Amino acid sequence: DSGVTQTPKHLITATGQRVTLRCSPRSGDLSVYWYQQSLDQGLQFLIQYYNGEERAKGNILERFSAQQFPDLHSELNLSSLELGDSALYFCASSPVPRGDGETQYFGPGTRLLVL
Amino acid sequence: AQSVTQLDSHVSVSEGTPVLLRCNYSSSYSPSLFWYVQHPNKGLQLLLKYTSAATLVKGINGFEAEFKKSETSFHLTKPSAHMSDAAEYFCVVSDRSSGNTPLVFGKGTRLSVIA
Repeated sequence: DSGVTQTPKHLITATGQRVTLRCSPRSGDLSVYWYQQSLDQGLQFLIQYYNGEERAKGNILERFSAQQFPDLHSELNLSSLELGDSALYFCASSPVPRGDGETQYFGPGTRLLVL
Repeated sequence: AQSVTQLDSHVSVSEGTPVLLRCNYSSSYSPSLFWYVQHPNKGLQLLLKYTSAATLVKGINGFEAEFKKSETSFHLTKPSAHMSDAAEYFCVVSDRSSGNTPLVFGKGTRLSVIA
């Protein structure tokens, strides 16, 4: 158990809908990362927050957004969902984003299925 | 930009025989390198990481990896495979020169262990 929690575990929704994925980092970790794992794209970095502020952006679609709250939990919002958004979404956390290869600890993921 | 290439998408070994999962990296700067493992329907677990210390890195469950700068490789090995090692393995790089440390994942190698 990494100490990172994600809810829900599974989510089934329809095209055009909006969903919110939630992540609670390990106790004491200030940085949260979101990743998407799909069959065709593999594991891709979406976005990073550090202590409430956006820190880095990866291959995140404009239909997707995220935020980190004062209690450090994070939410990933996915809107106008398309079939291709079906994937496993991981959250990871680390204490401080430094340039020394800080280890990231991953949650169990949320499996999203868009029908 | 950083990237990793996992040379085999699938490796199959017999129980008790050695495991070799190959990874080559590309990085403009001195990289941090990781191996993560993903068991079926589970999250990602860190096996080991290289930052800048010893080039031979020992990880959990008997795995180890050797950083070879001249070959830009970071292959993962284990002397004797167990059935429980069957999983997806990801070679990962992050750029240590940057204050932002999103991870860049390889496409993964699926390890099958035959009894």
